[in-house]
Amino acid sequence: TQLLEQSPQFLSIQEGENLTVYCNSSSVFSSLQWYRQEPGEGPVLLVTVVTGGEVKKLKRLTFQFGDARKDSSLHITAAQPGDTGLYLCAGSVGGATNKLIFGTGTLLAVQP
Amino acid sequence: DVKVTQSSRYLVKRTGEKVFLECVQDMDHENMFWYRQDPGLGLRLIYFSYDVKMKEKGDIPEGYSVSREKKERFSLILESASTNQTSMYLCASRSGQGGEAFFGQGTRLTVV
Repeated sequence: TQLLEQSPQFLSIQEGENLTVYCNSSSVFSSLQWYRQEPGEGPVLLVTVVTGGEVKKLKRLTFQFGDARKDSSLHITAAQPGDTGLYLCAGSVGGATNKLIFGTGTLLAVQP
Repeated sequence: DVKVTQSSRYLVKRTGEKVFLECVQDMDHENMFWYRQDPGLGLRLIYFSYDVKMKEKGDIPEGYSVSREKKERFSLILESASTNQTSMYLCASRSGQGGEAFFGQGTRLTVV
């Protein structure tokens, strides 16, 4: 069973602060994605990373895929209240099937 | 607009009942997934399907079964509902490995 552990589980910060969320596993993934979920809605894709060591930027969000493709991080610069939500990493398992497993989630609250 | 539709937003069922959760997607995706979401545990994969009539167990398949008779429809069945199956159930579909997963809005199931 592949497991994706996220840390921290909860994060409450003030507007303007920086933060990093981690996603770790002992398994290797063919690609890794980050999603954000708001209350009452399904998760929505933020980014996909596929190459070990890859870094992608999306405005104030920076995503990194570990060299060994077992871990990832999400860094938010100058957080805003609109960043509040549940952040989930998700890994694709290679092979003939397309299994997609999700991490344990990080609940972020940005206070104005 | 792409869409994944789950048949019910809220369901209340009695212990021992057989429960059907339906999910339909209009994107011609090969892959469909059922997850349950509980606080602090992220999304846990119950079953997934990579083609019509093909299914694979996820991480927590006990007490559940699935059916995929047509490409667009993926059903989750609780054979005999129990109180520990009270949860939010999310259906998703995606085209291939690395592709974006699109989610329905979820079914909040309460078993009493």
